[in-house]
Amino acid sequence: EDKVVQSPLSLVVHEGDTVTLNCSYEVTNFRSLLWYKQEKKAPTFLFMLTSSGIEKKSGRLSSILDKKELFSILNITATQTGDSAVYLCAVEAVTDKLIFGTGTRLQVFP
Amino acid sequence: DSGVTQTPKHLITATGQRVTLRCSPRSGDLSVYWYQQSLDQGLQFLIQYYNGEERAKGNILERFSAQQFPDLHSELNLSSLELGDSALYFCASSVGSRLLGYGYTFGSGTRLTVV
Repeated sequence: EDKVVQSPLSLVVHEGDTVTLNCSYEVTNFRSLLWYKQEKKAPTFLFMLTSSGIEKKSGRLSSILDKKELFSILNITATQTGDSAVYLCAVEAVTDKLIFGTGTRLQVFP
Repeated sequence: DSGVTQTPKHLITATGQRVTLRCSPRSGDLSVYWYQQSLDQGLQFLIQYYNGEERAKGNILERFSAQQFPDLHSELNLSSLELGDSALYFCASSVGSRLLGYGYTFGSGTRLTVV
């Protein structure tokens, strides 16, 4: 059965800290891995990764995929209180159906 | 505003009842996806429609059904509701039958509470 596992489940840090969120997966016919940020309601798209070893970057956020070891990491540097959210990892497999992990809850305190 | 519209935002209903959740995809998007998000679980894929046709089915209960209409809006029907059906129900849309570089666009969800 396809599955996506995220760790840690929860993370509490102070502003300015750097965090690393992990996502491992076991799926058949992998196509892509996506990261989303969910604050109050709708998840918002962060990154889509399809190739191993190529870092995607957006401001203080970056992500990389390892298709050999079947995992991805999401890094957030110099965290801010506005980064507090649930970060979701999802894998596209077979069709364009996304399989989501349960998420990592990040809380950033001033 | 993501462009994906879901109504209603909140719904409280009793066990055994039936409800309909509605989703209008972003303009130009042909695919609609329904997801369920419970407190202790991640987003669970329910069903996908592409241009009016059912394309993929996930862990959708037999008590649940969906359809996509010619104007591309979609409805998710939940019947014989149980307490465990309480969850956030998300609709998402994408342009075609394959994801592009930005994945889905999610609506803001419908929070269903079954009492």
